Amino acid sequence: DAGITQSPRHKVTETGTPVTLRCHQTENHRYMYWYRQDPGHGLRLIHYSYGVKDTDKGEVSDGYSVSRSKTEDFLLTLESATSSQTSVYFCAISDPGLAGGGTQYFGPGTRLTVL
Amino acid sequence: DQQVKQNSPSLSVQEGRISILNCDYTNSMFDYFLWYKKYPAEGPTFLISISSIKDKNEDGRFTVFLNKSAKHLSLHIVPSQPGDSAVYFCAARPNTNAGKSTFGDGTTLTVKP
Repeated sequence: DAGITQSPRHKVTETGTPVTLRCHQTENHRYMYWYRQDPGHGLRLIHYSYGVKDTDKGEVSDGYSVSRSKTEDFLLTLESATSSQTSVYFCAISDPGLAGGGTQYFGPGTRLTVL
Repeated sequence: DQQVKQNSPSLSVQEGRISILNCDYTNSMFDYFLWYKKYPAEGPTFLISISSIKDKNEDGRFTVFLNKSAKHLSLHIVPSQPGDSAVYFCAARPNTNAGKSTFGDGTTLTVKP
């Protein structure tokens, strides 16, 4: 299994509060991604990173920001959480330099509830 | 506009029979296709992939078929086992390892003993 951890695994917060989710990898993969998964929807890309300090927006980036100061860590921040951001968040990694580098490896997920 | 569609939200099959999961895409730039499997409370895991230069790729009980002219791919599981019960996501990407994947909404497969 790829070494990907997410913290926290579960979080309940209130509307308007800031929230930061952390993704940590031990695989030294270049690319990291944040997705959200909601009932009736697949995995929707929020933001991704293609290197330290290099990030870009995905299809559902509004209300989210990210930072990557080290290869192994990718942080997702909800500046002011809203109920619509209640979801399960998955981190993923990939490395284009590897054979089959298009394959993504996913973390276990963080279940976030915004009340 | 959803670029990757899995039109069947759920599928139920009997153990030992074939499971066929379907996926359609609209973007002609997609050249590499993947299937992921997801159990409850876990992250998705890679199952099998296929490049557009092939029309079939097989790995044990799992076979993916690609019909590029129809922009359609399917995943066949033979024989189906109860442990195959999971959500299956189809994903598509440009044929570059640096490209982003676009995912379908998933199909929940239930294999009955």
